Amino acid sequence: DIQMTQSPSSLSASVGDRVTITCRASQGIRNDLGWYQQKPGKAPKRLIYAASSLQSGVPSRFGGSGSGTEFTLTISSLQPEDFATYYCLQYNSPSWTFGQGTKVEIK
Amino acid sequence: EVQLVESGGGLIQPGGSLRLSCAASGFTFSSNSMSWVRQAPGKGLEWVSVIYTGGTTYYADSVKGRFTISRDNSKNTLYLQMNSLRAEDTAVYYCANEWLQFWGQGTLVTVSS
Repeated sequence: DIQMTQSPSSLSASVGDRVTITCRASQGIRNDLGWYQQKPGKAPKRLIYAASSLQSGVPSRFGGSGSGTEFTLTISSLQPEDFATYYCLQYNSPSWTFGQGTKVEIK
Repeated sequence: EVQLVESGGGLIQPGGSLRLSCAASGFTFSSNSMSWVRQAPGKGLEWVSVIYTGGTTYYADSVKGRFTISRDNSKNTLYLQMNSLRAEDTAVYYCANEWLQFWGQGTLVTVSS
């Protein structure tokens, strides 16, 4: 099975900061990767698909990049509503896997 | 508007069975792969299973042989039959459509004696 290693597991940042979250795949997954945001008590919401395509309706401050084994989610200017937990998901192999999650907290 | 509504969760004893349902609307259900994802209390997301439009299914190792995903395109409904339930299956179970684009609100399954 493909393992997804997400880092950091948590971070503290201020409004307006640039934030970067990384996912590394244990083997190449082309660009078969999505990024999800989850707020407490709510279902996850897809932000990015195919590694770098922005989901319709998602603010342009969210961006994804990468291919193969290394991927990045960037929030260019953190807003109050962005404090949440973020997950990557690979869907390249028959069994899909999520990263462990990154909790973005207010500094 | 896409809507996914899960039902069927509840409290079940270890070793028991439960069937979850997910009623879909607002998109062409038969043309979408559909998945189940779960989240144990205070933990991260765990992908459980997917069923493609042609009926091909895949499962996480943790549920293989115990859970069965199925779909009824005539009813726009996705199912998850869960057998031999264990305490570690306790979680909120979400259904989601093609490549996890849209998600339901989840249904809680608690496995406990």
